Amino acid sequence: GAGVSQSPRYKVAKRGQDVALRCDPISGHVSLFWYQQALGQGPEFLTYFQNEAQLDKSGLPSDRFFAERPEGSVSTLKIQRTQQEDSAVYLCASSFTWNYGYTFGSGTRLTVV
Amino acid sequence: AQKVTQAQTEISVVEKEDVTLDCVYETRDTTYYLFWYKQPPSGELVFLIRRNSFDEQNEISGRYSWNFQKSTSSFNFTITASQVVDSAVYFCALSEPGNNQGGKLIFGQGTELSVKP
Repeated sequence: GAGVSQSPRYKVAKRGQDVALRCDPISGHVSLFWYQQALGQGPEFLTYFQNEAQLDKSGLPSDRFFAERPEGSVSTLKIQRTQQEDSAVYLCASSFTWNYGYTFGSGTRLTVV
Repeated sequence: AQKVTQAQTEISVVEKEDVTLDCVYETRDTTYYLFWYKQPPSGELVFLIRRNSFDEQNEISGRYSWNFQKSTSSFNFTITASQVVDSAVYFCALSEPGNNQGGKLIFGQGTELSVKP
């Protein structure tokens, strides 16, 4: 596609529920990033993929967060046993090469109730 | 440690006024990149500019201009003759090369700009 596509656009989850957020990057983009943006804050890095390899997951806040990109294109961010503090917008970004320029998706707004 | 500070949380101006958004960064690397992004109410981050640490030349793009000063670790953004459509949250970000880090972005807290007619 022409841009980075994220789905769903909005997700409401009951506390304790598992969720899966999808990111479809721009075709051919090697690098893929996930960021978490809490209300009124700047985005914070979660994890980075180069093709299918997850090279940096230092930003994942707990072991309830898991990301994958098995074929080097679409990526899924999974959150297990969601908690209220997980409520945020989750942004995906992709790039042809690092620092070439990042294209962000519109994000998934997760609300945990 | 990497850090980006945008001290201005909110700015409100009247249309046609000039406005400057401040950004101060911290890094130990000599090679790094600085970015500005715009986030309108729709939520998508829109890329505005990228500047590498070896290029201190100021840049102008239409009504937008950027002033990069390594001596003060600042990368300020000025909008000339602001318009209502400029209303958004603006983020400054820093990226450093590093092993397997892919150039992840470190964002500031953002400055919410409101341009009133």
